Amino acid sequence: DAGITQSPRHKVTETGTPVTLRCHQTENHRYMYWYRQDPGHGLRLIHYSYGVKDTDKGEVSDGYSVSRSKTEDFLLTLESATSSQTSVYFCAISEHSGELFFGEGSRLTVL
Amino acid sequence: AQRVTQPEKLLSVFKGAPVELKCNYSYSGSPELFWYVQYSRQRLQLLLRHISRESIKGFTADLNKGETSFHLKKPFAQEEDSAMYYCALSGHSGGYQKVTFGTGTKLQVIP
Repeated sequence: DAGITQSPRHKVTETGTPVTLRCHQTENHRYMYWYRQDPGHGLRLIHYSYGVKDTDKGEVSDGYSVSRSKTEDFLLTLESATSSQTSVYFCAISEHSGELFFGEGSRLTVL
Repeated sequence: AQRVTQPEKLLSVFKGAPVELKCNYSYSGSPELFWYVQYSRQRLQLLLRHISRESIKGFTADLNKGETSFHLKKPFAQEEDSAMYYCALSGHSGGYQKVTFGTGTKLQVIP
């Protein structure tokens, strides 16, 4: 498996609280992505990064922000979590093609 | 805009029967198409990509630009093929790589 880890792997939080998920890679890949996986919706792109401090929105970016201050770390922040953000979040990395390497996922429950 | 459509949420077949998982895409340029698989309790992983034109675990997929399709096929299904399958398209947005997934098809192989 590619060197990609997500933390935390599981989190339960309450509505209105901030949450940050971390994705860490040891592959020095240029691209990093955050997806959410929901039944019936598959994988939906939240945000992605094409370099340090270079990020862009995906199709479901509302309510989420990201930061990438170092090549190896890509943070996803929910400023004020809502129940609709209960999901499994996947981080993925790639170098220059569409071949992605995925993390193991972070399961977030917002009560 | 780039879009991937997988019309079937669930496909059930008997062991030994042929399998075809459908994928259609929409993209104005030349796409790179991929199939990813997620086995139970495992992370998503690449199954195959159209440019390599290879067969992985007996699966093949041909890119049909006229029909904008990239269907995944296997002549004889095995129980271990039961998993979630995602079709993905890698395109470019503003000069940077962006990967979009379909909603996924759950393949259930009945013994």
